[in-house]
Amino acid sequence: KQEVTQIPAALSVPEGENLVLNCSFTDSAIYNLQWFRQDPGKGLTSLLLIQSSQREQTSGRLNASLDKSSGRSTLYIAASQPGDSATYLCAVTGNYGQNFVFGPGTRLSVLP
Amino acid sequence: GAVVSQHPSWVICKSGTSVKIECRSLDFQATTMFWYRQFPKQSLMLMATSNEGSKATYEQGVEKDKFLINHASLTLSTLTVTSAHPEDSSFYICSAEGGAGETQYFGPGTRLLVL
Repeated sequence: KQEVTQIPAALSVPEGENLVLNCSFTDSAIYNLQWFRQDPGKGLTSLLLIQSSQREQTSGRLNASLDKSSGRSTLYIAASQPGDSATYLCAVTGNYGQNFVFGPGTRLSVLP
Repeated sequence: GAVVSQHPSWVICKSGTSVKIECRSLDFQATTMFWYRQFPKQSLMLMATSNEGSKATYEQGVEKDKFLINHASLTLSTLTVTSAHPEDSSFYICSAEGGAGETQYFGPGTRLLVL
């Protein structure tokens, strides 16, 4: 059974810092991995989707890498801003057309 | 990108009543829809997988007679929480995909509070 963990559980940084969020999954046979952002009381915002054949994806100040064989992904946020404060969720899908398995999330606070 | 809607966005009901939540794919046909539940300060957990025209597949520990799922068309799936109790209070969110392996799109979620 796939399990997803995220480290750290919570992170508080001053504005402007670069930071790294970590995600690990136990079964390397994934179809894709996706990073989401969730604001308090809100739904999910998709940030980056990495297919299993890819090693990284970039969007603006965000960069996500995937090491499928070791079961790891990292989300790099450059020059953090207070507006980045949210919970970041990592999720993977198994074989073709399966549901997402979510990690517990990392709660990020960026202080002005 | 594709849009998935949910209705209602929030609902408050009395214990013992039933609540229906709709999940719609607005600009694509969704062969499969997934229903997730998120309790406060926890992550999303899959409740069931719904394929159009067939019975839903429920995850272990999810009562199929309590959480009724209907996926009667390629654009609509409904989740009915029957005889809701306070412990059913949660954030319910659906996702939809057009075909096996295609991108899944998430709805905005429905917050349920059972008094």
